Amino acid sequence: DIQMTQSPSSLSASAGDRVTLTCRASQTISTYLNWYQQKPGKAPKLLIYVASKLESGVPSRFSGSGIGTDFTLTISSLQPEDFATYYCQQSYNTPWTFGQGTKVEMK
Amino acid sequence: EVQLVESGGGVVQPGGSLRLSCAASGFTFGSYWMHWVRQVPGKGLVWVARISNDESTTSFADSVKGRFIISRDNAKNTLFLQMNSLRDEDTALYYCARGGSKGLDNWGQGTLVTVSS
Repeated sequence: DIQMTQSPSSLSASAGDRVTLTCRASQTISTYLNWYQQKPGKAPKLLIYVASKLESGVPSRFSGSGIGTDFTLTISSLQPEDFATYYCQQSYNTPWTFGQGTKVEMK
Repeated sequence: EVQLVESGGGVVQPGGSLRLSCAASGFTFGSYWMHWVRQVPGKGLVWVARISNDESTTSFADSVKGRFIISRDNAKNTLFLQMNSLRDEDTALYYCARGGSKGLDNWGQGTLVTVSS
């Protein structure tokens, strides 16, 4: 199985900060990498698919990059509604696997 | 508007069975692969199973292989997860999600399964 490792596990930031989250795959997955946002008590929401494509309706302050094994999710200017947990997930092969999540908290 | 509504969760004893359903609306259900993902409250997301749009292909996580069955009724726009030989570690919130080239682009709100004696 492909292991997905996210870093950091949590971070504290302020509104307006630029935030970068990292996801590493245990083997190459090309660009079969998706990012999700989850708020407490809610279902996950797709933000980015195939590493860099912004899902419809997602603000442009979110961006993704990477190929192979190393990927990043960047929030260019953190907004109050962005405090949440973010998960990466590979869809290169089954079993699909998620990272353990990065919790973005308010400083 | 895409809607996915799970049902069928509840409390079951270890070794028991439960059948989850996911009612889909707002899109052409028969054109999409569908998935189940679970989450222990307060923990991370774990992919469980998927099924192709025409039911010809299914895949499972190793932890549920041989115990869970995924199926669908395209005429009724419904996805199912038959869970047998349930274990304590199957306790989780179960989400159904629509799959495709974009990953999992729509999710239900989940149904809670508790395995406990």
